[in-house]
Amino acid sequence: EADIYQTPRYLVIGTGKKITLECSQTMGHDKMYWYQQDPGMELHLIHYSYGVNSTEKGDLSSESTVSRIRTEHFPLTLESARPSHTSQYLCASSLPGVKNIQYFGAGTRLSVL
Amino acid sequence: QQPVQSPQAVILREGEDAVINCSSSKALYSVHWYRQKHGEAPVFLMILLKGGEQKGHEKISASFNEKKQQSSLYLTASQLSYSGTYFCGTERGSSNTGKLIFGQGTTLQVKP
Repeated sequence: EADIYQTPRYLVIGTGKKITLECSQTMGHDKMYWYQQDPGMELHLIHYSYGVNSTEKGDLSSESTVSRIRTEHFPLTLESARPSHTSQYLCASSLPGVKNIQYFGAGTRLSVL
Repeated sequence: QQPVQSPQAVILREGEDAVINCSSSKALYSVHWYRQKHGEAPVFLMILLKGGEQKGHEKISASFNEKKQQSSLYLTASQLSYSGTYFCGTERGSSNTGKLIFGQGTTLQVKP
């Protein structure tokens, strides 16, 4: 079983606040991902990292930013939260090699009022 | 381009079979299948790499037709635990990036 942790699980916050969603994995995976998922909808890749100091945006445009200073840590930051940012954010990491099997964290449900 | 899944929803009785399809208009490197239960994280089921292979996991198997860029997930003798939303995730081209584009999902409900 994969060890990938996201905190907080739930976050209710007011408009304009800065927030950071934490994601950590203990498996030493190089590749990590952030997905955004609205209720009952598909997952959209918003950020991707090949490894330390390597990040790029995904297919879905997002106002969030990410950093990858350590292999195990891939936090996502919103400088000024808005109601349109209300969604579930899922972090994943993948095994090395050709298959890129992804293991997901439990997610953070964000509500911006 | 997002892969298209069909059907959108399926309701089964325990013991019945189901097939979920995933089609792409782009050449694919791999197709991943995940199952997500309500309020939980997606869980990996299986991966198919280009080459037209078929894989199995107990009563769940899948195929990948590289020429048609289609994958199908077969659920045999369904159990209550199979209920959830099934997503296919596709990786395009010949690169090994791990960046997946997910289909819109197929909701499966298995009733006693």
